[in-house]
Amino acid sequence: GQNIDQPTEMTATEGAIVQINCTYQTSGFNGLFWYQQHAGEAPTFLSYNVLDGLEEKGRFSSFLSRSKGYSYLLLKELQMKDSASYLCVGADSNYQLIWGAGTKLIIKP
Amino acid sequence: TAGITQAPTSQILAAGRSMTLRCTQDMRHNAMYWYRQDLGLGLRLIHYSNTAGTTGKGEVPDGYSVSRANTDDFPLTLASAVPSQTSVYFCASSDGERDTGELFFGEGSRLTVL
Repeated sequence: GQNIDQPTEMTATEGAIVQINCTYQTSGFNGLFWYQQHAGEAPTFLSYNVLDGLEEKGRFSSFLSRSKGYSYLLLKELQMKDSASYLCVGADSNYQLIWGAGTKLIIKP
Repeated sequence: TAGITQAPTSQILAAGRSMTLRCTQDMRHNAMYWYRQDLGLGLRLIHYSNTAGTTGKGEVPDGYSVSRANTDDFPLTLASAVPSQTSVYFCASSDGERDTGELFFGEGSRLTVL
């Protein structure tokens, strides 16, 4: 079956770096998305990877390895406002989105 | 611009009653979606529409119906609500092919069925 695995919760310190890992199993592959969701709010798009490698966007970077079925989201210079859930989402051969349950990131001062 | 507007924000509903969740977008996106989000689970697709006049079933369509009479509106109807339909419902849209582009979400509708 199709599946997305990511840690349930992580804790990091303000100003530090954190890496949120995601492994995926999809029937075919048409890309990997990351979304951010603050508590009680809607998800918002962060990144999209379809080729192997690292995509950098400001303090956030996303990495993809298609051969390993693996992605990570790297957050640098953590700020308190980065406390949120981060959703890993895979797109299969039919462009159906498979959503992970999300990683709740807690930032401590 | 408003983006995507959902109504109501929250609702408590008696089991067996019907309910329509409204969704309107002003971005002229072709594709629209309804998801439900439950604790500990990923978002699950209920129904989708690739363009006005067409709809399709997602992963968990039972108990729900949708219509897409025009580009802007995509209401979700629960004909006879059951407690398992207690959830947060998100409407979303995208401007590309189904599920290849960034999704824009509404703020969600929290539904409690008693």
